[in-house]
Amino acid sequence: QVQLQESGPGLVEPSGTLSLTCAVSGGSVTSSNWWSWVRQSPGKGLEWIGEIYQTGDTNYNPSLKSRVIISVDTSRNQFSLQVNSVTAADTAVYFCARGSDYDSFLFDYWGQGTLVTVSS
Amino acid sequence: DIQMTQSPSSLSASVGDRVTFTCRASQSVSTYLNWYQQKPGKAPKLLISGTSTLQPGVPSRFSASESGTDFTLTISSLQPDDFATYYCQQSYSKPPTFGGGTKVEI
Repeated sequence: QVQLQESGPGLVEPSGTLSLTCAVSGGSVTSSNWWSWVRQSPGKGLEWIGEIYQTGDTNYNPSLKSRVIISVDTSRNQFSLQVNSVTAADTAVYFCARGSDYDSFLFDYWGQGTLVTVSS
Repeated sequence: DIQMTQSPSSLSASVGDRVTFTCRASQSVSTYLNWYQQKPGKAPKLLISGTSTLQPGVPSRFSASESGTDFTLTISSLQPDDFATYYCQQSYSKPPTFGGGTKVEI
């Protein structure tokens, strides 16, 4: 059973950088799956941020592409999210998720989510 | 981006009721339409993929169908565990997008 666990600061100052890590257990980031970040806020609902493959190949939501970096650490079996120049609009629950074996945008396993608040 | 519109945004129902809610895509998503269930404080859970394929362990009271760009999720006999918010999502094109959800309340 694949499990994902997000970790990182719950509070980020405006104009700062949001950094989260997703640890994968019961599976490997080197499997033939893509790994995604999705966020949920009251204002914008569920929003896909981007995805990464074991090779480091990435795809991003165009709405966030200029501020987001997703990276993978195969030695630690984890992947990470960085969002730069954050504002209050980036306040959300952030989830990491696995793309299914046949559709990278079909999310079959999710982390429990972590709330990140942007505030001074 | 493909916009997903769900209706209603919420509904009240009782145990044993048959409930149906809909999701409309702003353009064709072929059969790449998925449904998730989310309970408060939890992550979304994948219920149905590819328009109508139930995930392992999902009760058979759940079913889904499509007609063009309109998709429906039906719960044939609502159970206490089914009170939750349901989201549709298209995985046809990047970026994948979600509907605003339908909250099923007692």
